[in-house]
This record gives sequence, structure tokens and C-alpha cells, in this order.
Amino acid sequence: DARVTQTPRHKVTEMGQEVTMRCQPILGHNTVFWYRQTMMQGLELLAYFRNRAPLDDSGMPKDRFSAEMPDATLATLKIQPSEPRDSAVYFCASGLVLQGPNTEAFFGQGTRLTVV
Amino acid sequence: DQQVKQNSPSLSVQEGRISILNCDYTNSMFDYFLWYKKYPAEGPTFLISISSIKDKNEDGRFTVFLNKSAKHLSLHIVPSQPGDSAVYFCAAIYAGGTSYGKLTFGQGTILTVHP
Repeated sequence: DARVTQTPRHKVTEMGQEVTMRCQPILGHNTVFWYRQTMMQGLELLAYFRNRAPLDDSGMPKDRFSAEMPDATLATLKIQPSEPRDSAVYFCASGLVLQGPNTEAFFGQGTRLTVV
Repeated sequence: DQQVKQNSPSLSVQEGRISILNCDYTNSMFDYFLWYKKYPAEGPTFLISISSIKDKNEDGRFTVFLNKSAKHLSLHIVPSQPGDSAVYFCAAIYAGGTSYGKLTFGQGTILTVHP
């Protein structure tokens, strides 16, 4: 049963600490997205990758957030230093984009981050 | 800049009746549109999609309508069931440029179906 796996599922950390969220996309998918769920913005796109190369990270606060794909089986989202306003649910999704852009993305269960 | 907008935060419907969820978009470069459903403590799951070359797509109780001239799409659920109660997200995909394949979501609409 292919699925996107995110770890950890829950994270509580103190303000100023570094937070790393991990995502294992579905094997064979070439596109990975990172989203943050907020009440006002809904699912806010932070960054996305195609074939491990970053295509757009304009939604991400550059001074504290970073996203990488060290290899095809792992995507990471890092916050350093974390702040209380970063508290949210972070979702990773993966999809297969071939000749056309039309693809459904499959989501992980999310990482619920609380910064105190 | 919210390019995909769901202006109704919530919708309440009686079981058996029709649910209509609406979505507006601003960017004419969007080529493909999707609806996702999300239950609490779970990730969103794909529900139904429509290409910009079509104006309707149907899958069982779910139908998506696209009005390109108005930059508007809607999801119809008939008949609505209590198990349909969830958050529904509208999403759109870019067709070209450096943002090819970029998947952009709206704010979501909470649907509650009462027995």
C-alpha cells in the first residue's frame, strides 16, 4: 500500500530550537510538495521539488525555513530558529508529473508542530 | 495573494439534499482543477478533478463544474451523507512557466451534513 510517510507525527519544542520534519514520498513519484495548514490561508504552499530540484520556495520564510531533498526517498523541512507563530500542521505530498502538469498529489498524515 | 479562493468557510446541509461548494480563481494559467477532502487528524485525499478543456466531470455522487469565463468551479454532492462531513479544499495546477505543476489550494470549506 503506497503512501507518503511523515515523521514525527507530533512535535512540541521550545522557541528558538531547531525543528526538522521528514517526508518519504511514494516510490516513483517525481514531485514533492510541502504545505502548512493555517486557519486563514488554508493549505499554504511552502516549497516544491521536481526530480529533487527545488522549483518554487517563494511561500517559505527564507530567514528561518529551509527545504531539501537529499535523495529521492527523503524530503526535509527545517525551521531554525522556531517561533510560536510556526505552530501549525505541516503536510508533505507527492505526485507524478509526466508530460502534462495534471496530477493528483498524495498527502501524508502531517506533522503537528507546537512551539512554546 | 490568494489565487484560489473559497469564500464560504462553512456549509450546513441536511442529509439527502444537495451540497454545493464553490471556488473562484484569479490566474488564467491554471490548467487543471481538483477537489480534496480532509477529515480531522488526516491528510487531504483526492476526490475529483477536471481539466480546463471540460466544463463538467462526474464521479458517482460527486460532480465538478467549471466555468472558465467566470473563473469559477463548484463541487456538487448529491445526495449528501453524514459521512461527507469534512473540510473540502479546492486546488488548481499551473500549466506553464517556471511554476509548471505547482498545486495551489484554497482556504477550505467545512461541510456538515446533518442526519
